[in-house]
Amino acid sequence: EVQLLESGGGLVQPGGSLRLSCVASGFTFSNYAMTWVRQAPGKGLQWVSVITDSGGSTKYADSVKGRFTISRDNSKNTLYLQMNSLRAEDTAVYYCVKAGLWGQGTLVTVSS
Amino acid sequence: DVVMTQSPLSLPVTLGQPASISCRSNQSLLYSDGNTYLNWFQQRPGQSPRRLIYQVSNRDSGVPDRFSGSGSGTDFTLKISRVEAEDVGVYYCMQGAYWPRTFGQGTKVEIK
Repeated sequence: EVQLLESGGGLVQPGGSLRLSCVASGFTFSNYAMTWVRQAPGKGLQWVSVITDSGGSTKYADSVKGRFTISRDNSKNTLYLQMNSLRAEDTAVYYCVKAGLWGQGTLVTVSS
Repeated sequence: DVVMTQSPLSLPVTLGQPASISCRSNQSLLYSDGNTYLNWFQQRPGQSPRRLIYQVSNRDSGVPDRFSGSGSGTDFTLKISRVEAEDVGVYYCMQGAYWPRTFGQGTKVEIK
């Protein structure tokens, strides 16, 4: 079964850090670019970041540039999002996405 | 950033009747490769989004044929030929022609 499973979310204080993971299964992970999309509570969807299949190129939304880092380990079929200097406005469910396939999401709450 | 504007934002529909959602971009989504990168996503209550349509009019696997996408350039439409109860949720368009990727605000479809 083709599946994406995110983990690593939780409650963190403003200024803190968190690393999200997304384990892929059921397809050849190394063949696909991967994306993070987030959704603040009760709000719409916001594209966050993308990484190419090899990991050689990345792009970020302006709102996270310089604070978040996307990476991948193709040997482990895993996508990561390192989030530093977290702000209240980063509070959201973070989804791992491969083309039309979305994970179940992991909730990040930034609050003191 | 490319601005995606959906209308209406709320769409009460009668079961069995058609429904239509408009999505407009402030720049043409026709890419240099000749393809137009406009996707439609459905998010049912309490669920992750799922892609329904890619490149304007191509249905994803498993998507019922009552869903159809059309349009070109900056003007796009998602149509549901006969609304069923399982179609309740929020629908988003997203452009894939420019960085950063951007979504429309979402259209909430509910049953009258």
